[in-house]
Amino acid sequence: NAGVTQTPKFRVLKTGQSMTLLCAQDMNHEYMYWYRQDPGMGLRLIHYSVGEGTTAKGEVPDGYNVSRLKKQNFLLGLESAAPSQTSVYFCASSPEEAKNIQYFGAGTRLSVL
Amino acid sequence: RKEVEQDPGPFNVPEGATVAFNCTYSNSASQSFFWYRQDCRKEPKLLMSVYSSGNEDGRFTAQLNRASQYISLLIRDSKLSDSATYLCVVRLSGGYNKLIFGAGTRLAVHP
Repeated sequence: NAGVTQTPKFRVLKTGQSMTLLCAQDMNHEYMYWYRQDPGMGLRLIHYSVGEGTTAKGEVPDGYNVSRLKKQNFLLGLESAAPSQTSVYFCASSPEEAKNIQYFGAGTRLSVL
Repeated sequence: RKEVEQDPGPFNVPEGATVAFNCTYSNSASQSFFWYRQDCRKEPKLLMSVYSSGNEDGRFTAQLNRASQYISLLIRDSKLSDSATYLCVVRLSGGYNKLIFGAGTRLAVHP
């Protein structure tokens, strides 16, 4: 049972490059989320989705875009990477009937030089 | 001021010890409360929910004090495998199920 899968696991970018992080869940969950985690800070919500075709801004959305064309996938895009976006990115999902519980992917470690 | 505040630690304790972590939250509209566990370089995982009456899951006991906006986690008979970072998490009422994560308290259990 895969759960929530994130790709890639690691990536190094140069300032100004773009990339897309992919999150896939096989649990048929309605809700999906993208967080970033930085040292000394709690997880911060970047964007979220309450269902296929929907997206909304979280706490720190600037510099990121998302899409949820299929229920199982939630993509996070960085159009022009900046060193401030160096972080660990986590995707999570939760079912409608148990919204309080979020299931996380293993994370993507991104360094922007 | 952070919405959820935790002592970052680390708490260094010997095996078998009892250790307690505290957490305070600032938003009185907070509705639900949780402890998540995060192992080094891994993803967070739900450890337990926290109920107003207090609840226990094996060696773990969670307490909530709404009046003081305070949550605690007690671990009895610590094991080496308990070494991790413990995240205090609060859900706000309404909206889309927004969870607010504390920065975590690191626990290191040594032989």
